[in-house]
Amino acid sequence: DAGVIQSPRHEVTEMGQEVTLRCKPISGHNSLFWYRQTMMRGLELLIYFNNNVPIDDSGMPEDRFSAKMPNASFSTLKIQPSEPRDSAVYFCASGDRATDTQYFGPGTRLTVL
Amino acid sequence: QKEVEQNSGPLSVPEGAIASLNCTYSDRGSQSFFWYRQYSGKSPELIMSIYSNGDKEDGRFTAQLNKASQYVSLLIRDSQPSDSATYLCAVVGGNTPLVFGKGTRLSVIA
Repeated sequence: DAGVIQSPRHEVTEMGQEVTLRCKPISGHNSLFWYRQTMMRGLELLIYFNNNVPIDDSGMPEDRFSAKMPNASFSTLKIQPSEPRDSAVYFCASGDRATDTQYFGPGTRLTVL
Repeated sequence: QKEVEQNSGPLSVPEGAIASLNCTYSDRGSQSFFWYRQYSGKSPELIMSIYSNGDKEDGRFTAQLNKASQYVSLLIRDSQPSDSATYLCAVVGGNTPLVFGKGTRLSVIA
């Protein structure tokens, strides 16, 4: 198993641009989580899906952020328009609800100039 | 607000010693408990899970859970410099997904 795949690994963009982060979870897992990590705030849960259905998006900072999971093998997190304060590492985690375990992808380091 | 508290450290231990990392949580209904290790610039890596009171051992790692005291700990025996990382405690509540602590930075001195 390749584990959780995220792309791109690094993204540098200018303020106001649209950013799309992608995630492929582990096959057979039924939950998917998007996190953001910064030095100041630590690891924050943005949104999670069970069986491709969004369950809780209360962690999404504002309407500029949106996430979709059109099928069991793909999810996107979109920021439009991006702002410098969105600069962070964004992690996708694949979850097995039977054991509550989550496995993290390598992350996308986003820099908004 | 469900909370998971950890001492931020840094916790410094000499090579070969036992490192003890501690975590408390606020949700008495929590049912699953995890320790993740995160090296600088890398993603969190699951190293231990524990679901019932008592100890669970895996190699040099032992997780300890005390639900009555709402306390979970991780012991690392024979600490190595390669164990130097940030250790994140994470807890699953009754109706909530994983809640992470802010992590304890461990430094193992050769």
